[in-house]
Amino acid sequence: GEDVEQSLFLSVREGDSSVINCTYTDSSSTYLYWYKQEPGAGLQLLTYIFSNMDMKQDQRLTVLLNKKDKHLSLRIADTQTGDSAIYFCAVNTGRRALTFGSGTRLQVQP
Amino acid sequence: ETGVTQTPRHLVMGMTNKKSLKCEQHLGHNAMYWYKQSAKKPLELMFVYSLEERVENNSVPSRFSPECPNSSHLFLHLHTLQPEDSALYLCASSQAGYNEQFFGPGTRLTVL
Repeated sequence: GEDVEQSLFLSVREGDSSVINCTYTDSSSTYLYWYKQEPGAGLQLLTYIFSNMDMKQDQRLTVLLNKKDKHLSLRIADTQTGDSAIYFCAVNTGRRALTFGSGTRLQVQP
Repeated sequence: ETGVTQTPRHLVMGMTNKKSLKCEQHLGHNAMYWYKQSAKKPLELMFVYSLEERVENNSVPSRFSPECPNSSHLFLHLHTLQPEDSALYLCASSQAGYNEQFFGPGTRLTVL
């Protein structure tokens, strides 16, 4: 089955850029997503990218997709303390639901 | 109400109790999902309903019983749970079965 891997923790200083990485195994993945989860809350869809794209930019967020290496990244520019949360990578492979990574906890230090 | 709502937000129950979690989506979607999120494991898909029909059941113990009476409502009936079932239970909905999923805030369940 599909396997999605993320590093568990990332710490950055306020104002720096954050890069959260994700790798997946199924090359047939069609849609790839980034979700954000703040403490005590559900998952919020941040952005997504189609598999036929290499990059997508949405304000401070940039998603890069390397299909050859099956690598997805989320870059947050000018990281703020409000960006502190857990970020989940998720992929759709034609199953009836998404496969999620274990989440990366982003800590933003003032 | 907008988006996906879940009630209750917090639930404490004994191992012999019977309780139900409720999810409601106001997005006009036709698929709904239950996920379990615990400290030990990443998000685990439990059940998927598409057009009110259960289409996936990921080897979930029978002490969890889902119900989808219509495309807007989803329930998770709980009975004789174990302490290891304590977790955050998340509901989600989507259109067309499995594209962008929108999540509710979750129910934090504690089994004593």
